[in-house]
Amino acid sequence: SQTIHQWPATLVQPVGSPLSLECTVEGTSNPNLYWYRQAAGRGLQLLFYSVGIGQISSEVPQNLSASRPQDRQFILSSKKLLLSDSGFYLCAWSGGQGNYEQYFGPGTRLTVT
Amino acid sequence: AQSVAQPEDQVNVAEGNPLTVKCTYSVSGNPYLFWYVQYPNRGLQFLLKYITGDNLVKGSYGFEAEFNKSQTSFHLKKPSALVSDSALYFCAVRDTAGGSYIPTFGRGTSLIVHP
Repeated sequence: SQTIHQWPATLVQPVGSPLSLECTVEGTSNPNLYWYRQAAGRGLQLLFYSVGIGQISSEVPQNLSASRPQDRQFILSSKKLLLSDSGFYLCAWSGGQGNYEQYFGPGTRLTVT
Repeated sequence: AQSVAQPEDQVNVAEGNPLTVKCTYSVSGNPYLFWYVQYPNRGLQFLLKYITGDNLVKGSYGFEAEFNKSQTSFHLKKPSALVSDSALYFCAVRDTAGGSYIPTFGRGTSLIVHP
């Protein structure tokens, strides 16, 4: 069966510090991968998605970036965090071309102080 | 373009009563429709989906949803609510027209089941 891992679970970082969140998927190959941010108040904001190694599409211009160095690894990064980067970050994967559901990781709670 | 609306921020229901969480959508082609549930400080969990076929879709934990093309709706239902069903529910849609396979999520509906 497939599983998705995210770490760390929680993170408190000062403004201006760097960020690296990691997501890995097991039990499947060539998944579509996604990074979402969920601010307080519930809505999901798609940040990045990837259909293959090295292929990243950005949905929202910001100080975040994403990379996919391996087929089942997706990394979210920032060189300098802003207060507005606080939120709940979710990684997800899916198969196929859109008629497949997404499976989400447990999330990372990021607080920028 | 695709969009989805969850008109209720919160739904309250007594344990044992039937529950309905509403979702309406707008697409240019045909819709792929999904429901997810999120418990506090957890990731979203997939409940069920409609791709094609029978309009009544059955999913996890006793939930079902009915696809209504004329009303462009995909309401989530359960015959008898449990306190443990209290959570945040998201509807999502993907339009088969346009080429994108990225779904659009609704803003979520908080379901509160009272003992």
